[in-house]
Amino acid sequence: AAGVIQSPRHLIKEKRETATLKCYPIPRHDTVYWYQQGPGQDPQFLISFYEKMQSDKGSIPDRFSAQQFSDYHSELNMSSLELGDSALYFCASSLRLAGGLDTQYFGPGTRLTVL
Amino acid sequence: GENVEQHPSTLSVQEGDSAVIKCTYSDSASNYFPWYKQELGKRPQLIIDIRSNVGEKKDQRIAVTLNKTAKHFSLHITETQPEDSAVYFCAASYTRNFGNEKLTFGTGTRLTIIP
Repeated sequence: AAGVIQSPRHLIKEKRETATLKCYPIPRHDTVYWYQQGPGQDPQFLISFYEKMQSDKGSIPDRFSAQQFSDYHSELNMSSLELGDSALYFCASSLRLAGGLDTQYFGPGTRLTVL
Repeated sequence: GENVEQHPSTLSVQEGDSAVIKCTYSDSASNYFPWYKQELGKRPQLIIDIRSNVGEKKDQRIAVTLNKTAKHFSLHITETQPEDSAVYFCAASYTRNFGNEKLTFGTGTRLTIIP
């Protein structure tokens, strides 16, 4: 079965640079979530989109922005990168079901290293 | 917001024995509780989930129990095998408007199976 695709898998940037992470959800899934996982930490929710509209927002810095496109893929844009942004960034997708109890499936993640 | 506590943070179990990981949540509105297994540098993978209208669910060697009154849920792994070694995260979510919203994760349990 098709899974969530993320690109790139690894990214190395300098401080103050920008980065764009891409996520392609499972076909027919209509919701995308972004999570950030620091070393030894649990995943922290950043932002989510349903049908191309932002549906929830977590601890996402103002330097970050995201959107979901007409083909349901999503991009996370990160500017003025800081050393503390180094982390694994996961995208998850789900299909909203009646009753609202849908399952989130995670992509392989993008490892961002800021030097 | 939701807060999920998980313990123990590390657990070593002899191969063939059982392992139990416990989580508590704070938001009584939470109604979906998945468990994810994560190997080093890999994506979180759903191993089992439970909805708030069910008290227990089992899938082969894995079971989850939920006590809504006490707001806690537990993961039980029986007949543990070396490949069960990983970090396990519990999570909680709730329905808002329609569809599940963000997952709030516990801090993780590093499970080591001793051959």
